[in-house]
Amino acid sequence: AQSVSQHNHHVILSEAASLELGCNYSYGGTVNLFWYVQYPGQHLQLLLKYFSGDPLVKGIKGFEAEFIKSKFSFNLRKPSVQWSDTAEYFCATNSGYALNFGKGTSLLVTP
Amino acid sequence: DGGITQSPKYLFRKEGQNVTLSCEQNLNHDAMYWYRQDPGQGLRLIYYSQIVNDFQKGDIAEGYSVSREKKESFPLTVTSAQKNPTAFYLCASSISPPVNTEAFFGQGTRLTVV
Repeated sequence: AQSVSQHNHHVILSEAASLELGCNYSYGGTVNLFWYVQYPGQHLQLLLKYFSGDPLVKGIKGFEAEFIKSKFSFNLRKPSVQWSDTAEYFCATNSGYALNFGKGTSLLVTP
Repeated sequence: DGGITQSPKYLFRKEGQNVTLSCEQNLNHDAMYWYRQDPGQGLRLIYYSQIVNDFQKGDIAEGYSVSREKKESFPLTVTSAQKNPTAFYLCASSISPPVNTEAFFGQGTRLTVV
């Protein structure tokens, strides 16, 4: 089964700084990759997803991620973060029967 | 509105009592899932069901039980055998099989056992 590893557990950035959150997955067949976000007090929602095609995926709120097959990576990026991006971010992959999640990265954006 | 409804949002129970968390979806999805979220642990899969009247254990099924008698409903029972039940529980659904598709999540139930 595929597993997911997120490198950064806690990240603190100032507003307007650039963001990159690391995610690596173990190979296990068909690759479906996701980034979900959980804003404080809100439900988990999808930021972006990759199934096939263009490895650079654009999501909501200015986020993007790049699938690099040779590195088994799917890092999340945003050129300029805002205070409202404060949230927990989860990378996930599809094992064929359910989503497998990484341990999450807690992002705090300071004014 | 289409979506997943979990109830209640907050639940308190005494140690040793069984408790059932509700999850209902009107997305017409065949597959449903239960995850447990703990700080620093991410989301861990408890049980999943790809079709009515069938379900499978996930990675941390011990101390939990489920049923899937209706397509729309996938209740989770936290039994007294679960050693550390206090957590945030998330229900999700998707089309089946969940390949090349995303999962949709409910608002979650925060269970506190005292």
